[in-house]
Amino acid sequence: DAGVIQSPRHEVTEMGQEVTLRCKPISGHNSLFWYRQTMMRGLELLIYFNNNVPIDDSGMPEDRFSAKMPNASFSTLKIQPSEPRDSAVYFCASSSYSNQPQHFGDGTRLSIL
Amino acid sequence: QKEVEQNSGPLSVPEGAIASLNCTYSDRGSQSFFWYRQYSGKSPELIMSIYSNGDKEDGRFTAQLNKASQYVSLLIRDSQPSDSATYLCAVKLEGTYKYIFGTGTRLKVLA
Repeated sequence: DAGVIQSPRHEVTEMGQEVTLRCKPISGHNSLFWYRQTMMRGLELLIYFNNNVPIDDSGMPEDRFSAKMPNASFSTLKIQPSEPRDSAVYFCASSSYSNQPQHFGDGTRLSIL
Repeated sequence: QKEVEQNSGPLSVPEGAIASLNCTYSDRGSQSFFWYRQYSGKSPELIMSIYSNGDKEDGRFTAQLNKASQYVSLLIRDSQPSDSATYLCAVKLEGTYKYIFGTGTRLKVLA
């Protein structure tokens, strides 16, 4: 079975540019999560969706960050404009039922110059 | 603020020994607990889930849960150098789909 698929794997861009990260959850999973991981702050939940509806976006750091889930098989996380402090690894994860564990994608390593 | 606490390590154990990783959490209502392993530069990988008080064994791994003490642990028997990684404890907040992750314990198994 295919796992959670994220793209791109690496992104290097200049400050001020728009960045779009993409995620395809595991088929049949109804919850999707976006995380950011840094050495300083560890793994932080940014936003999660249940049945394509955003449930909790309290972890989104600023209005520069936005996320969408237009259908059950696709989600995007957008940063506009990007800043150097956004440099991190961004993970997408999905799960099926509420008590089932989350499964992570390989992540996108984002570097903002 | 719901929290999950782990000792950051590194925890160094000799090959073949038992590695013991510990985690405490603040949300008394939590019912679902998970251990993830993360190799450097890789994504977190689920290794154990536990929902009831007591021990749960899977191969060389044993998860232990004590809800009264708000404590969950992971034991790795016969530790191998390939077990060297960061181990993340995750607690699901009851009534939500949200996990709180600890900052992880770095384990080093010495050959």
